[in-house]
Amino acid sequence: QQQVKQSPQSLIVQKGGISIINCAYENTAFDYFPWYQQFPGKGPALLIAIRPDVSEKKEGRFTISFNKSAKQFSLHIMDSQPGDSATYFCAAKSGTASKLTFGTGTRLQVTL
Amino acid sequence: GAVVSQHPSRVICKSGTSVKIECRSLDFQATTMFWYRQFPKQSLMLMATSNEGSKATYEQGVEKDKFLINHASLTLSTLTVTSAHPEDSSFYICSARDQRALGQFFGPGTRLTVL
Repeated sequence: QQQVKQSPQSLIVQKGGISIINCAYENTAFDYFPWYQQFPGKGPALLIAIRPDVSEKKEGRFTISFNKSAKQFSLHIMDSQPGDSATYFCAAKSGTASKLTFGTGTRLQVTL
Repeated sequence: GAVVSQHPSRVICKSGTSVKIECRSLDFQATTMFWYRQFPKQSLMLMATSNEGSKATYEQGVEKDKFLINHASLTLSTLTVTSAHPEDSSFYICSARDQRALGQFFGPGTRLTVL
């Protein structure tokens, strides 16, 4: 119930392409879904987050798509750049709990 | 805004010694802080949740006597790894929750190496 499943484990995208990372959850009590970006040797940084009352949120090149009925959400990185190469974690939290449940992470490599 | 710092960023110690890691919220008050451990190429593993002025809540399998957590103020939490052993070598990351927002903000992490 508390798991968040993330795929793919790794992803290679050419510069300028679209990177897509998917997450699925089971706990219907989850009501906050953030994405974090982590560079090697650094802590995760909050990238973008969504609540289930909207189906999409866009911030610059980053877009979250949310499908409440399917219990899935995804991160789209448009015009991917080599500087986007990092590990991305999805997460989820319910309003009644403070702690985040993390996905297993996706290592993104953007090639020239 | 929402900056979290950790100190030290790297520490190397001998087996059997204790190591203290500090986590500070620099521009907001954090009534709740979290401590995570991360092994190479793996996700973050929550170790404990720390609430200001009260005892930390540890996740299952985490030894509370091994990993001492103190959250004495609204901007500072500390993790002490007692009698460290090589298997405690890891990347330790704290995060703080801003009461005004939903997000958790992470520190830059501390790389602990126990020889």
